[in-house]
Amino acid sequence: GESVGLHLPTLSVQEGDNSIINCAYSNSASDYFIWYKQESGKGPQFIIDIRSNMDKRQGQRVTVLLNKTVKHLSLQIAATQPGDSAVYFCAERRRYGQNFVFGPGTRLSVLP
Amino acid sequence: GAVVSQHPSWVICKSGTSVKIECRSLDFQATTMFWYRQFPKQSLMLMATSNEGSKATYEQGVEKDKFLINHASLTLSTLTVTSAHPEDSSFYICSARGGLTGDQPQHFGDGTRLSIL
Repeated sequence: GESVGLHLPTLSVQEGDNSIINCAYSNSASDYFIWYKQESGKGPQFIIDIRSNMDKRQGQRVTVLLNKTVKHLSLQIAATQPGDSAVYFCAERRRYGQNFVFGPGTRLSVLP
Repeated sequence: GAVVSQHPSWVICKSGTSVKIECRSLDFQATTMFWYRQFPKQSLMLMATSNEGSKATYEQGVEKDKFLINHASLTLSTLTVTSAHPEDSSFYICSARGGLTGDQPQHFGDGTRLSIL
């Protein structure tokens, strides 16, 4: 089966601070990565993606960094807002054309 | 763009009932659709992958006779949980991917919470 999370790490940040959510992926051949945001009772929402030929990509208030040497992916959220509170999943595509495999997720809590 | 609609959003039914969940891509053609199951505080578990007009490919341990998947058009896939029992209660989420090369991101519906009494 696919990756299943056994626990849900939590990150608490103060409103206005920057958040960094980390993800270790498993397959050195993975070529495409996506960060998803999942709010309670909803499906995952696409945030930003990056392909393996890049090491950094920026969106609006979000930056994704990819370190292929150590198989590490991070999502940086600038000036975190209450609406950013959610569970964040990284997803890796292990081979071209295949489905994405999801990491265990990290719950982000934004403190007022 | 890339909106995926899933219906119903929640359903409660008696044990032994069959339940159908629909997944529609509203503004793109979904050549491939995926069905996931998610338990509380856990990640998404892929159940099956379906390409339009073909039989679904099920992940190991997923009963194909229990979870019937139909992907008859480029905008609609259905998951039918047959003779559902309490252990089938879960959050079911579909996703859809467009394009012919498999190089597009997956976009998700808002899930269906299934509760079997």
